[in-house]
Amino acid sequence: DGGITQSPKYLFRKEGQNVTLSCEQNLNHDAMYWYRQDPGQGLRLIYYSQIVNDFQKGDIAEGYSVSREKKESFPLTVTSAQKNPTAFYLCASSKQGPSNQPQHFGDGTRLSIL
Amino acid sequence: QKEVEQNSGPLSVPEGAIASLNCTYSDRGSQSFFWYRQYSGKSPELIMSIYSNGDKEDGRFTAQLNKASQYVSLLIRDSQPSDSATYLCAVTLLSGSARQLTFGSGTQLTVLP
Repeated sequence: DGGITQSPKYLFRKEGQNVTLSCEQNLNHDAMYWYRQDPGQGLRLIYYSQIVNDFQKGDIAEGYSVSREKKESFPLTVTSAQKNPTAFYLCASSKQGPSNQPQHFGDGTRLSIL
Repeated sequence: QKEVEQNSGPLSVPEGAIASLNCTYSDRGSQSFFWYRQYSGKSPELIMSIYSNGDKEDGRFTAQLNKASQYVSLLIRDSQPSDSATYLCAVTLLSGSARQLTFGSGTQLTVLP
């Protein structure tokens, strides 16, 4: 079955540590996205990519980095510069850029600080 | 002013009733509108897309769009306890020079047996 796979499901970060969240899709979608969700709030866009080797900052990119070396993969690194990383991280993809295509989500990764 | 605004709820309806969820948005040029359902602790699931003024029905769900009033709603007929979830409205809004999908903060719906 086609879908979006995020791993790990739960992740713990120590102070000063960078951690990387994995996102893989086999839907042959061109566009991929990373969102952050805090309790009781909507989704906020961190980064997005419409094509391999290209990505753009979203609303809350500070303290995060991404890469898009393959169409199927869009990993997110939460750096030590992100002082409040505890949140639910969601990866999504769509056939093309965000203008009119629905986005489909993976199961998410919950990140906490140790 | 929030760009995509929803009543946070909680909204409670009895089983079998119609649940009505509302969403307003700030960008008159928006063309694409989506409703997602998110169960507690899970990721959002797309349940409806609507692009034109009027109603769009899919099973027990009806999405209604009024671009002149910048308003989109979701009706759930014959509500079931399994419909209890948070419903997120998402609209493509102009952000800088590009359109981005922007989410409301969600309405929590509880269907009482």
